[in-house]
Amino acid sequence: DAGITQSPRHKVTETGTPVTLRCHQTENHRYMYWYRQDPGHGLRLIHYSYGVKDTDKGEVSDGYSVSRSKTEDFLLTLESATSSQTSVYFCAISRLGTEFNSGNTIYFGEGSWLTVV
Amino acid sequence: SQQGEEDPQALSIQEGENATMNCSYKTSINNLQWYRQNSGRGLVHLILIRSNEREKHSGRLRVTLDTSKKSSSLLITASRAADTASYFCATDARMGAQKLVFGQGTRLTINP
Repeated sequence: DAGITQSPRHKVTETGTPVTLRCHQTENHRYMYWYRQDPGHGLRLIHYSYGVKDTDKGEVSDGYSVSRSKTEDFLLTLESATSSQTSVYFCAISRLGTEFNSGNTIYFGEGSWLTVV
Repeated sequence: SQQGEEDPQALSIQEGENATMNCSYKTSINNLQWYRQNSGRGLVHLILIRSNEREKHSGRLRVTLDTSKKSSSLLITASRAADTASYFCATDARMGAQKLVFGQGTRLTINP
């Protein structure tokens, strides 16, 4: 258990409405990520954060924004939800290895199922 | 675009048999990792192999890495019904600043 909580876990919303997904961590990790998972596409990185107020885009960032005002919270916002954003959203944190080249192991939350109708 | 591509997309075997999944990637990497995902759950880290390693073991898992072919394989020996899950490889490209790029996964079904 990496101390990651996603909310809400399930949401149905209408096209054009704003939606915010929250990721909360209890272990004070610097790196946090939002991925989406879709059949045929695997997991794709939306945005990530490397510190408070420090964020960057992933490969599928269009239509999404993020904010990180506190170390423990990373918010993903869909300003105007579209049906193509129906997906499962996973938050993740990074526990960097302490050895040289030991790698960036990612720990995932349990997912947020979003349906845009 | 995906960095890692798993093969096969789906694999169904009998309990007790060995399962082999393959992953190919495109660019130079620091490390390659394998993750497992049970239905409806998040991904769980299984094993990491560094770019200067060729083989690594963890319990019933054996991972190989061939950087010349840009490929890796995950072998699960003596499979169990509980191994039924999707398996993903992930790479952190050398220019990829603490980001992992995942493949599409192999769906493994172990039949009792």
